[in-house]
Amino acid sequence: RKEVEQDPGPFNVPEGATVAFNCTYSNSASQSFFWYRQDCRKEPKLLMSVYSSGNEDGRFTAQLNRASQYISLLIRDSKLSDSATYLCVVGYNDMRFGAGTRLTVKP
Amino acid sequence: DGGITQSPKYLFRKEGQNVTLSCEQNLNHDAMYWYRQDPGQGLRLIYYSQIVNDFQKGDIAEGYSVSREKKESFPLTVTSAQKNPTAFYLCASSVRDYRNDEQFFGPGTRLTVL
Repeated sequence: RKEVEQDPGPFNVPEGATVAFNCTYSNSASQSFFWYRQDCRKEPKLLMSVYSSGNEDGRFTAQLNRASQYISLLIRDSKLSDSATYLCVVGYNDMRFGAGTRLTVKP
Repeated sequence: DGGITQSPKYLFRKEGQNVTLSCEQNLNHDAMYWYRQDPGQGLRLIYYSQIVNDFQKGDIAEGYSVSREKKESFPLTVTSAQKNPTAFYLCASSVRDYRNDEQFFGPGTRLTVL
């Protein structure tokens, strides 16, 4: 079993749609959780950290469920510019990266 | 502007050659990391350094070497012993030396072995 698992997608959605990604992790002692965004052939960039109480940043909402060992990312009112691969990252002794979920937002 | 730079952006190597990838940061971060990314896979840790003159192996260190003589610099050498070196190499840094702290990435180097 992979340490961090994501649905690879691709998710193809129209502009304005709401889309949700889930990510599961295997180490119950994990301490830090992040979502990164990676554009094609570019470096990953931090989108948001994920806190136990859940957190929101504009159109983006991240949630953590420690009991079920998953984190989620919700994107509301999708924009064309949201098209990218979203990486789930979980930290314990070091960071473990999911392979990413690809999102394409279409006009 | 503060940030992480990597050079070159693209690198072509013949089999049997060693190559060195540059990584420099002016963020005054303590910790630096090297990852490799292959298509369809998550980033995998090659080496990391939490302090000058000290570094540790990650999950896939075989065939790679690093040095950390200055806080700002963490070069990676891909040796001829690395059996499948073609990949996208990413350097990262974090403010503190906690390995589970948020990390900031450089633009990456694409290495192709001919």
